[in-house]
Amino acid sequence: DAGVTQSPTHLIKTRGQQVTLRCSPKSGHDTVSWYQQALGQGPQFIFQYYEEEERQRGNFPDRFSGHQFPNYSSELNVNALLLGDSALYLCASSWGPKGSPLHFGNGTRLTVT
Amino acid sequence: AQTVTQSQPEMSVQEAETVTLSCTYDTSESNYYLFWYKQPPSRQMILVIRQEAYKQQNATENRFSVNFQKAAKSFSLKISDSQLGDTAMYFCAFMKPPYNTGGFKTIFGAGTRLFVKA
Repeated sequence: DAGVTQSPTHLIKTRGQQVTLRCSPKSGHDTVSWYQQALGQGPQFIFQYYEEEERQRGNFPDRFSGHQFPNYSSELNVNALLLGDSALYLCASSWGPKGSPLHFGNGTRLTVT
Repeated sequence: AQTVTQSQPEMSVQEAETVTLSCTYDTSESNYYLFWYKQPPSRQMILVIRQEAYKQQNATENRFSVNFQKAAKSFSLKISDSQLGDTAMYFCAFMKPPYNTGGFKTIFGAGTRLFVKA
């Protein structure tokens, strides 16, 4: 039973560039949430996708966008990268709307130089 | 807006002893879910324990148990018989039931780094 998989594991980009991060949810899960985790801090909610639509969004600028595909996999896109976007990006999947816990991937470490 | 506060940035405990991690939260909701997640140095976050707010009974999972005080908005985690493998960051998290958009959000605290010493 495959868990949540994220790619790539590490990424180095230059300020102003664009990046796409990918996530495949755990088998049987239909909801994907994305989080940004700065070093030594708790995850900050970016947005959540369900049925290919963005259902909830955190306090992140429009430079952060996403997509969910019919197979439930998801992408996180960040445009016009800033140094402050350097962080661990976590994808979490879950099933159903009512209190289902999140299952996390290993994350993508993004470094912006 | 809901907030989650973990007031202990770091804690340490001797192997085989018991430790309690604190968490408080702020919400006007009456129905919600609370979680403790563990993030070991290898960084994959995993669920430790889950509590439904409408259930008065405290959740227990093997060596892990919670003390849920709804009126006080407190949700502490007790780890009994601590093991070296319990060394990790522990995050308290709050989930509000779905919005009318069908989405839901899990909000995390800043975390408590726990060191288990041999």
